[in-house]
Amino acid sequence: DAGVIQSPRHEVTEMGQEVTLRCKPISGHNSLFWYRQTMMRGLELLIYFNNNVPIDDSGMPEDRFSAKMPNASFSTLKIQPSEPRDSAVYFCASSRRQVNTEAFFGQGTRLTVV
Amino acid sequence: GDSVTQMEGPVTLSEEACLTINCTYTATGYPSLFWYVQYPGEGLQLLLKATKADDKGSNKGFEATYRKETTSFHLEKGSVQVSDSAVYFCALSLPSNTGKLIFGQGTTLQVKP
Repeated sequence: DAGVIQSPRHEVTEMGQEVTLRCKPISGHNSLFWYRQTMMRGLELLIYFNNNVPIDDSGMPEDRFSAKMPNASFSTLKIQPSEPRDSAVYFCASSRRQVNTEAFFGQGTRLTVV
Repeated sequence: GDSVTQMEGPVTLSEEACLTINCTYTATGYPSLFWYVQYPGEGLQLLLKATKADDKGSNKGFEATYRKETTSFHLEKGSVQVSDSAVYFCALSLPSNTGKLIFGQGTTLQVKP
């Protein structure tokens, strides 16, 4: 299995631009998570989906952030408009929706907003 | 609420020294406990896990025992190597939130030759 695949690995964009991050979970996994990692705040859960349905988006920082999962093999995290404080590493993770299971992480997207 | 607290880093050790990274948790119910490791420039990888009280997880020479009485899951290794230099995250998952992880703040380990 190729694991969780994220793209792009690196993104540099100007303030005010729209940014879209992409994730392909592991085949057969039905839970998907978006995390943000910064030095100041560590790892923060932004949103997670079960069977393509958003379950908890309480970690999404504000309305500029949105996430979709149109099917079991693809998810996007969009920031519009982007701001310098959004600079971080964004991780996608997936798991089987069952007790005691672990999540598998992608390599992350390093976003820099200038 | 549910939370995980790790010892603050960075932790700096010489090669072959003993390692302990403390982790305690607060949870409603009976969580599963995990240690993840993040090497520079990479995503998080599962290092080990334990799903019930007194279980011991182990991998690559690392061990951690699920202690319900002290709500702890300390990570230990008897002899560290330079290649163990990384950030280590303790995490929990509740049965009601299958797959959703609550992470500690991470502890940076640096091993010097």
